[in-house]
Amino acid sequence: EAQVTQNPRYLITVTGKKLTVTCSQNMNHEYMSWYRQDPGLGLRQIYYSMNVEVTDKGDVPEGYKVSRKEKRNFPLILESPSPNQTSLYFCASRPLAGGLDYNEQFFGPGTRLTVL
Amino acid sequence: AQKITQTQPGMFVQEKEAVTLDCTYDTSDQSYGLFWYKQPSSGEMIFLIYQGSYDEQNATEGRYSLNFQKARKSANLVISASQLGDSAMYFCAMREGSSGQLTFGSGTQLTVLP
Repeated sequence: EAQVTQNPRYLITVTGKKLTVTCSQNMNHEYMSWYRQDPGLGLRQIYYSMNVEVTDKGDVPEGYKVSRKEKRNFPLILESPSPNQTSLYFCASRPLAGGLDYNEQFFGPGTRLTVL
Repeated sequence: AQKITQTQPGMFVQEKEAVTLDCTYDTSDQSYGLFWYKQPSSGEMIFLIYQGSYDEQNATEGRYSLNFQKARKSANLVISASQLGDSAMYFCAMREGSSGQLTFGSGTQLTVLP
């Protein structure tokens, strides 16, 4: 089954304790991205990657890191989480298909993070 | 300035009736794409419909249609014959530029009443 998986689905942690949220897709997609969702703000992009070893900042990258060592994986790293990073996080992927042609972005199930 | 504006934080509709969810967008690109996603209370993001900026016909997918008015920069979602299962948060989004980044609106919470 074609899918994007994220782990963990739920996480409660404390300020300053490094954490990683994993994201993996089995569709051989070049493009992967991370979003955070906050009430009243919709989804905002944190980082994206257009291929292996190619990553770039989205709209809200502060406090986050990513890496893209393999095509299928795109982990999100919070080196020193703070309470304002409490949010619902989504990973997504899609093929590049020559630019803007592809019509659907596949989302993972989401990770609900609480930082105390 | 907001790139995607959804002015209806909440909407109610009677079961079996049609409902229109508003979305306006702002871009100077000629080539862009418009999307609608549904997010039920379980939290997952479900792709509903897509409209390309060069598409002359309005997109339709089953009970969903996208009322695309390019000159007015609007991309309203029309749900016909609402069902109780349509109760969810609905997001409008736009993809533009070479990065292909999706920009989302703040969402509309739709409640379908029996």
